[in-house]
This record gives sequence, structure tokens and C-alpha cells, in this order.
Amino acid sequence: DAMVIQNPRYQVTQFGKPVTLSCSQTLNHNVMYWYQQKSSQAPKLLFHYYDKDFNNEADTPDNFQSRRPNTSFCFLDIRSPGLGDAAMYLCATSRGRGLMNTEAFFGQGTRLTVV
Amino acid sequence: AQSVTQLGSHVSVSEGALVLLRCNYSSSVPPYLFWYVQYPNQGLQLLLKYTSAATLVKGINGFEAEFKKSETSFHLTKPSAHMSDAAEYFCAVSAAYSGGGADGLTFGKGTHLIIQP
Repeated sequence: DAMVIQNPRYQVTQFGKPVTLSCSQTLNHNVMYWYQQKSSQAPKLLFHYYDKDFNNEADTPDNFQSRRPNTSFCFLDIRSPGLGDAAMYLCATSRGRGLMNTEAFFGQGTRLTVV
Repeated sequence: AQSVTQLGSHVSVSEGALVLLRCNYSSSVPPYLFWYVQYPNQGLQLLLKYTSAATLVKGINGFEAEFKKSETSFHLTKPSAHMSDAAEYFCAVSAAYSGGGADGLTFGKGTHLIIQP
């Protein structure tokens, strides 16, 4: 049974048109992450939530925002997608931080195409 | 800051041969280390993890890895490759153990494993 679910699996959006990617989890984990993975590259952390506490990576562009309305759901909003934002977006969860953070569970990813 | 370096962006082995994927880490504190596998257009699946217990870690699908502090390495091995092992493999280090409140994983650039019939 899928524990971290991302919708949709494939998303096509127009240049400059806002787009939202969604992630849900059935693990009741405290932490939810968003990673960006460009073609043939390693995943790169954009930001994460620890409960309702939002933590942005220093080099994440302002064009990327996130919302976590409750424990189960987390959204990635791209306000004005550019061609360079085409990538696989991975959502992940973990139980907590520090010694509790011994494993991250990943969703299947959403592949975003910008036309 | 913590980082991992994966040597070899592509590794090709024959079916039935030994698989060795290399990962070296850099960390100022004892790290948590992970190997993940990614199949095309899929998310990442955990193969195994090192969290300061046994230095030889066994994972799924017959993979194992050995943590060697003296060499700052965490290489992934499998005695006999199978066609289904063809995928992208990522070594990762957890920033959470630094105690500074940081979180998330830092990934290596990945190694594409090719299995020759």
C-alpha cells in the first residue's frame, strides 16, 4: 500500500502559469520534504515542514512555495514556472529530526513539464 | 557541512558478476548514511542505512554496504548482479545528525548501474 502519494504523476503546465503539486502521507510522520530532481541529477532539497514549522533551504528560489494544511498533506506551489523548472519533484516524509530521522520515505514523484 | 561523493557516474557489470558502487562521505560528525535505488520515472526506495550500529549493513534485494570510518567510505555491493538491478543508485548522508537542527538528505550525483546479459 502506498504510504506517500503524489498527484499527479505527470503534470504539464504553461510557462508562467501557476501550478500546484500535491503530496499526502498515511504514515503520520512529523516531517515532510520537497525535493527537486532535474534530469540525470541528484535530488536537491527545496524545503521541509516539521509539523507546521516551515524550513526553507537558502538557495531555493522565491518562485517555489509550500503549504501544509494538516499532518497528511503538503503542497508545492510554483508561482511562475520557467523552462528551467522542468524536473521530477519528489515528496518524502520522516518521523522526526536528529536520532529520529533514520529513514525518509519517498513518493513516486511528479514529473513536471513546462511548455 | 556534510557531503557524499559517488565515484563513477556509470557502472557496467555482467549478469552474475559482483556489483560494487562506491561512495565516500565527508562529515564533521558521525554520519547517518543511506543507499537509495531509483527506477525510471519512479521515486526513491531505501536499500539500506547505516546509523552507527553494525558497520556491515544488509539491505533489500541482496545488497549490503560496509561503513569504514578510516576510509570515509560506504560502498554498496552485491555478490551476483541480476538484470532487475539495472537502475540509478544514490548514496546519501543525513544532515540531521549534525545536531544543528538541519534536516533532510544530501545526495551524491548517482551511479547508473548497467547489467550486461
